[in-house]
Amino acid sequence: SQTIHQWPATLVQPVGSPLSLECTVEGTSNPNLYWYRQAAGRGLQLLFYSVGIGQISSEVPQNLSASRPQDRQFILSSKKLLLSDSGFYLCAWSGGGAQTDTQYFGPGTRLTVL
Amino acid sequence: AQSVTQLGSHVSVSEGALVLLRCNYSSSVPPYLFWYVQYPNQGLQLLLKYTSAATLVKGINGFEAEFKKSETSFHLTKPSAHMSDAAEYFCAVSDQAGTALIFGKGTTLSVSS
Repeated sequence: SQTIHQWPATLVQPVGSPLSLECTVEGTSNPNLYWYRQAAGRGLQLLFYSVGIGQISSEVPQNLSASRPQDRQFILSSKKLLLSDSGFYLCAWSGGGAQTDTQYFGPGTRLTVL
Repeated sequence: AQSVTQLGSHVSVSEGALVLLRCNYSSSVPPYLFWYVQYPNQGLQLLLKYTSAATLVKGINGFEAEFKKSETSFHLTKPSAHMSDAAEYFCAVSDQAGTALIFGKGTTLSVSS
């Protein structure tokens, strides 16, 4: 069966510090991968998605970036965090064939920027 | 552009009562529709999905939803609420497999004894 991991689970960072959140998927090959942010009052918003290694599409202009160095690894980064980057970050994956239409979510990372 | 409207940010029911969470969507093509549930500080768990098969979709934990194209609705129901159903529920839509999900703002369900 497939599982998705995210770490860290929680993170408190000062404004201006760098960020690296990691997401890995097990039990599937060549998944589509997604980063969403859930912020108070702004609902769930797609940040990035990837259909393969090195292929990243950005949905919202911001100071965040994403990378996919391996097939089942998706990383969200920032060089300098802003207060507005606080939120709950969710990684998701979808598979190929009949499962492409369904996204499965990880446990999330709670980021607080102070 | 696609959009999803969830009517009612908060719904309160008594244990054993009917649960009805409303979702309306706009899409220019036959959509993929989903309901997810989120418990505090956890990720989203898929409840059920509609992908152009049967219009009445059964999901986990006794939930079901009916796709009504004429009303552009995909309301979520459960005949009898349980305390463990208290959570936030999200309706989502996409018009193409593998693309971004567009989420509604969510409905918080409270269940009282």
